[in-house]
Amino acid sequence: GAVVSQHPSRVICKSGTSVKIECRSLDFQATTMFWYRQFPKQSLMLMATSNEGSKATYEQGVEKDKFLINHASLTLSTLTVTSAHPEDSSFYICSASPTGQGNTIYFGEGSWLTVV
Amino acid sequence: RKEVEQDPGPFNVPEGATVAFNCTYSNSASQSFFWYRQDCRKEPKLLMSVYSSGNEDGRFTAQLNRASQYISLLIRDSKLSDSATYLCVVFSGGSYIPTFGRGTSLIVHP
Repeated sequence: GAVVSQHPSRVICKSGTSVKIECRSLDFQATTMFWYRQFPKQSLMLMATSNEGSKATYEQGVEKDKFLINHASLTLSTLTVTSAHPEDSSFYICSASPTGQGNTIYFGEGSWLTVV
Repeated sequence: RKEVEQDPGPFNVPEGATVAFNCTYSNSASQSFFWYRQDCRKEPKLLMSVYSSGNEDGRFTAQLNRASQYISLLIRDSKLSDSATYLCVVFSGGSYIPTFGRGTSLIVHP
């Protein structure tokens, strides 16, 4: 089946540094990808919709200058957490849908970010 | 009122039990419905789609009640391996952005 690969699966970084997380669709093209954050025992929270070749659409309350999203190709979206703080520590998950199959969601394996 | 609501549980049941979860949605224009399973510290994975006529996959049965605006998931003969969080996902008419419930935690014990 379709696979979405997310990397890195775990990362520890120091406060103030930036971290980049990649999300790749391996066997399909995705015009749109989504980025979520999930705190322990809480639901997935949509952060932004990543659109290939255009600016991402951020949800209310998500700082676009802090969470930089780039969707430069139909198979790759990246999320960069800039100037990371300990409160940014969370589980970040991306998802992608094959172009034209918007109701079919494939998730990446997720990335655990710990900011120390 | 949240768009998609689920009882967070946990539902604590013995092996072999039958357990059911509901998920209510507020947007009457919602068109597509799914159940996802999420294991601890893992990404969600599709469990099954939910059709108007209801659908069954082995021990799992999903149903949609449009009049009352909820979907349900029934698990028969629970296994230890069914322990997970079950998320309902709703797509509203014309939108490609899914709305997730917060999930219902199921614990199946020996």
